[in-house]
Amino acid sequence: DQQVKQNSPSLSVQEGRISILNCDYTNSMFDYFLWYKKYPAEGPTFLISISSIKDKNEDGRFTVFLNKSAKHLSLHIVPSQPGDSAVYFCAGGSQGNLIFGKGTKLSVKP
Amino acid sequence: EAGVAQSPRYKIIEKRQSVAFWCNPISGHATLYWYQQILGQGPKLLIQFQNNGVVDDSQLPKDRFSAERLKGVDSTLKIQPAKLEDSAVYLCAGRAEGAFEQFFGPGTRLTVL
Repeated sequence: DQQVKQNSPSLSVQEGRISILNCDYTNSMFDYFLWYKKYPAEGPTFLISISSIKDKNEDGRFTVFLNKSAKHLSLHIVPSQPGDSAVYFCAGGSQGNLIFGKGTKLSVKP
Repeated sequence: EAGVAQSPRYKIIEKRQSVAFWCNPISGHATLYWYQQILGQGPKLLIQFQNNGVVDDSQLPKDRFSAERLKGVDSTLKIQPAKLEDSAVYLCAGRAEGAFEQFFGPGTRLTVL
């Protein structure tokens, strides 16, 4: 039973445009959600988080939106840069534990 | 501030052999996690420590996997004996008290032949 789903294995975007990565979840008990970025041969790097009581959190070029009624969150990257090319993981958290999705590979083309 | 240290970075063993991985989280991170990440999947929790005590090991295959964090700082994860399906990246992460985010090490890529 996948509690966190990232249904798009890959996404390709032109440099300077917006990247939108999507994530759906089934567990209503998640208190917060996190996005991680992962480069090959490195561990996941924390990107941005959102509490379940918020609907938006912004940090520079990165914005996460949470729609609790739809059990859906999305990560917006504007503008996208070639260095953003990586695998992005969505994770739902509760009591210090995280459950991860399978990831979406983002390719930003110059 | 030093990041999360893990060693070795890569390990190749034959099935039925044993292997051990080491992790040292960021100083002061009382909570430590070990994850298994199989190719094409997200990280899956194996075990969680709070200081030197186990909080959650419900997903640890205890017939072959063991982990310890004796002094509440660094930790070791062991597999004995290894199976082909244990081939994966083993990630260690730490979390500060009251924080949401976990900070990950670079991982150990294990190949079981």
